[in-house]
Parts: sequence; structure tokens; C-alpha cells
Amino acid sequence: DGGITQSPKYLFRKEGQNVTLSCEQNLNHDAMYWYRQDPGQGLRLIYYSQIVNDFQKGDIAEGYSVSREKKESFPLTVTSAQKNPTAFYLCASSNDRGRNYGYTFGSGTRLTVV
Amino acid sequence: QQQVKQSPQSLIVQKGGISIINCAYENTAFDYFPWYQQFPGKGPALLIAIRPDVSEKKEGRFTISFNKSAKQFSLHIMDSQPGDSATYFCAASMDTGRRALTFGSGTRLQVQP
Repeated sequence: DGGITQSPKYLFRKEGQNVTLSCEQNLNHDAMYWYRQDPGQGLRLIYYSQIVNDFQKGDIAEGYSVSREKKESFPLTVTSAQKNPTAFYLCASSNDRGRNYGYTFGSGTRLTVV
Repeated sequence: QQQVKQSPQSLIVQKGGISIINCAYENTAFDYFPWYQQFPGKGPALLIAIRPDVSEKKEGRFTISFNKSAKQFSLHIMDSQPGDSATYFCAASMDTGRRALTFGSGTRLQVQP
């Protein structure tokens, strides 16, 4: 079955540590996105990529980094510069910028700072 | 300019009632307005969407009403059911410039049996 897989489901980060969240899709979608979800704040865009080897900052890119070396993969690194990383992270993909068939979302990664 | 404001933050409706969630935007370049539904522990899924050339779109029990002059749009859930209990997000995007959805803050809907 085609879909988008995020791993791990739960992740714990120590202060000052970088962590990488995985996002893989087998939908042959061109575009991929990372959103952060906090209670009462909805989904905020971190980074997005329309094609391989190209990506753009979203509204809250500070303290995060991404790469898009393969069409199927769009990993997100939460760096130590991100002061409040505890949140639910959602990866999505689309083949039409989500304007006709919508985004396909993964099941998310819940990151907690310990 | 990129913001989409959503209200209410939470909503409790009796089974069979009508649920109404409202959104407002400032950026007149937005030309696509979807609604997403999210169940706990899952990613959001597209529910229904509208473009500004129509004022209303209906799919089953779900209806979007769109007011271009007021820059507002709303989701109506008719005959609300306990299975509709979820968080709902409005969103908006434009065909040029930033090619990613901007989401509202979400509404947690609880339908009581």
C-alpha cells in the first residue's frame, strides 16, 4: 500500500542534542512538507520541498534543518538551537501542492525534551 | 498576511445538531480553502475544499460556505454524529508564491450522544 511513514513514533531528546526525524513516502509525490503541531496553535510550517535538491523555509524554520536528496525522503533535524522542541511533528506529501487531492500526512513523531 | 484565524477553539454539540466552525483570512491571494479532519494520534486528512468562484460546496453532511467580500469561510456539519468528534483545521493556499498550505489553529469538536 502507498503511504507516508514517519519514524520514530516517540522520540526523547536531551538538552543540547540534535535529533533527526525520518519521513519516507512511496506515493511518487513531488512535494513534501514538515509541520509542527502544538496545542491551540494548529499546524505551523517548518520547511517544504517542491522538488529533489530544493527546499524552502516555512514560518518557523529557526533551529531546524532538512535535506531532500531523494524524492522519497525528507528528513528533519531538530538542532540544539531550537529552544522549545517538544511538539508533535507531522510530515506530508502531495503531487499537486495539495490543491486538488490534498496532502497525505504521516502519523507523526512526538518529540519530548528530557 | 499568511495567517488564517479559526474559531471556536472547542465546540460541544449534541448528536443530530449542527456544528459550525469559522475561519477568516487577510491575504486576498489565497484561492484554495480546504478543511482537514484529525483524529487523536493520527495525521490530518482532507475533508472538503472550496475555491472562491463558488459560495457554497456540499459533500454529504459537510458544507463549506464562502464569503469572498468578508474574507471568511465556514464548515457546517449537519446531523453531527459521535464519530465526527475530532479536531478540524481550516487552511488556505495560493497558486503562486509560497506553495504550501497555511493552517488555522484548529477546533476540537465533541459530539455528545
